Amino acid sequence: EAGVTQSPTHLIKTRGQQVTLRCSPISGHTSVYWYQQALGLGLQFLLWYDEGEERNRGNFPPRFSGRQFPNYSSELNVNALELEDSALYLCASSWDRGTDTQYFGPGTRLTVL
Amino acid sequence: GENVEQHPSTLSVQEGDSAVIKCTYSDSASNYFPWYKQELGKRPQLIIDIRSNVGEKKDQRIAVTLNKTAKHFSLHITETQPEDSAVYFCAASEAGSYQLTFGKGTKLSVIP
Repeated sequence: EAGVTQSPTHLIKTRGQQVTLRCSPISGHTSVYWYQQALGLGLQFLLWYDEGEERNRGNFPPRFSGRQFPNYSSELNVNALELEDSALYLCASSWDRGTDTQYFGPGTRLTVL
Repeated sequence: GENVEQHPSTLSVQEGDSAVIKCTYSDSASNYFPWYKQELGKRPQLIIDIRSNVGEKKDQRIAVTLNKTAKHFSLHITETQPEDSAVYFCAASEAGSYQLTFGKGTKLSVIP
């Protein structure tokens, strides 16, 4: 069984630019979660999508947004990049809203210069 | 919202010794508590989890205990090995939210 996949692996952007990160969940999983892992800050919850809808978002500004497609894959968009957005962005998936267990992808390392 | 505190932030043990990592949570409605292991440059891997209707769960050298009254849970690793060296994260999830709140992590170093 293939795990959660994310692309790209690494990304370098400059302040003010926009970026799109992609995530494919484990086959059969319908929920996708996005987390930001900045150095020394642990994992911060960003967004949760289930069945194509945004179900919850963490304490992040509106320039962080995303969507989930009919095949349950997901995109995370970050507009007007700031230096502090440099982090590892992790995607996780789970079976459905009735299951808590989340499985993580390898992450996308974003560097903002 | 939920707040999870994790201690210690770093832990060094000799190979073969035991390691204990402790977490406290603030929301009494939380009912799911997973532990993740993250090796350098790799994804977090679920190693064990426990739900609020269980006080203890064990899987080979790893065990987790939960005290709902005190709102704390702990990870116990026995007979540590060098490959146990990693950052360990605890998390808590409130019933119905399916959103994990993570502790800040413990860097475990097992010295051969």
